Amino acid sequence: DADVTQTPRNRITKTGKRIMLECSQTKGHDRMYWYRQDPGLGLQLIYYSFDVKDINKGEISDGYSVSRQAQAKFSLSLESAIPNQTALYFCATSDGQPYNEQFFGPGTRLTVL
Amino acid sequence: AQSVTQPDIHITVSEGASLELRCNYSYGATPYLFWYVQSPGQGLQLLLKYFSGDTLVQGIKGFEAEFKRSQSSFNLRKPSVHWSDAAEYFCAVGGPATGNQFYFGTGTSLTVIP
Repeated sequence: DADVTQTPRNRITKTGKRIMLECSQTKGHDRMYWYRQDPGLGLQLIYYSFDVKDINKGEISDGYSVSRQAQAKFSLSLESAIPNQTALYFCATSDGQPYNEQFFGPGTRLTVL
Repeated sequence: AQSVTQPDIHITVSEGASLELRCNYSYGATPYLFWYVQSPGQGLQLLLKYFSGDTLVQGIKGFEAEFKRSQSSFNLRKPSVHWSDAAEYFCAVGGPATGNQFYFGTGTSLTVIP
């Protein structure tokens, strides 16, 4: 079984719709992250959480919000989706050790029409 | 500005040829260094990492990387490329030097031709 899972894997939505992407992990890690990937830009950090009560904005948080429902669950919401939010979204976890190695989910491909 | 740079957007090599992917960083101190691979339609998988010690690091799938402090580089190498190595490769940095944030380079896309 995968250690980091994301649902849905693919989603097509329309401009203005609210959408939630979900991430679950079984690695027991405290830290969770949301990234978006656009061609030629690599991965950009949207939000990160070091524990259930700690939520932090990343490089590109505008237009996004998150919820850390439990240690194992971290959701990303687009309150009113717009076409330039069309991207591949990744969830990742790390264990908080100084090495900070991250483990990634399989990604969610989101298309906003 | 602090950054991690992958100068090559796309590289094409023949199967069996050697490979080197470049990564440079610019931070006041040496960050922790990572290479990830992303196969088509997949998430990112860690190939190898460097924190300290021996500057030549061995990873999975026959990859290695060499840390060169004088050049602020952490280049990824493979002696003989296989068709299955075609993928996107990302260099990343983390640790105290980056404020314990994790930053990715923009990636290098590798094509392997028969």
